Amino acid sequence: SQQGEEDPQALSIQEGENATMNCSYKTSINNLQWYRQNSGRGLVHLILIRSNEREKHSGRLRVTLDTSKKSSSLLITASRAADTASYFCATDPLTGNQFYFGTGTSLTVIP
Amino acid sequence: DGGITQSPKYLFRKEGQNVTLSCEQNLNHDAMYWYRQDPGQGLRLIYYSQIVNDFQKGDIAEGYSVSREKKESFPLTVTSAQKNPTAFYLCASSVGDRGSQPQHFGDGTRLSIL
Repeated sequence: SQQGEEDPQALSIQEGENATMNCSYKTSINNLQWYRQNSGRGLVHLILIRSNEREKHSGRLRVTLDTSKKSSSLLITASRAADTASYFCATDPLTGNQFYFGTGTSLTVIP
Repeated sequence: DGGITQSPKYLFRKEGQNVTLSCEQNLNHDAMYWYRQDPGQGLRLIYYSQIVNDFQKGDIAEGYSVSREKKESFPLTVTSAQKNPTAFYLCASSVGDRGSQPQHFGDGTRLSIL
């Protein structure tokens, strides 16, 4: 499978702490995206990073991409209870027509 | 506001019955997608369409069918051939090529077996 895998599967932190989740994938990609999903809802796009980029920021989010290791990380700084959700990476492989989502990290931020 | 509307929110299927899930978007997006989400798993692609009157199978198309007669609409039919249809179904759309643009999602339809 070309599907990405997130690590850890679940993460629980205190409000104000930073949360880091990782995504590993198997084949070379054009870009990688991160999405958030609140329980029982659809996914919301957070950030897209292209294969020639190494780091990208958006508000409290910081994404890194290491194409040599085929991995990406999402850092959420100064977490809030409202950040509680599942987070998914999605990869656009160089070959093929599919767009693959990972298995997700479930983040719980305790007030 | 522009967005994607999925209906119904909850759907129950009897044995041997076909059911159709609705997906409508007013974002003027060319591409539309259907995903299936099972607990503990990521999203798996069922079908996608990059233009009206054209669609392609994803990884798990067996037991499903779609149509794309209008740009705004991409209904998914879960046929009786799909033996394990219980799942959360998500519809998405994007401006163009599915990898280079963000996908916008509806709020899903939860399908269960009676």
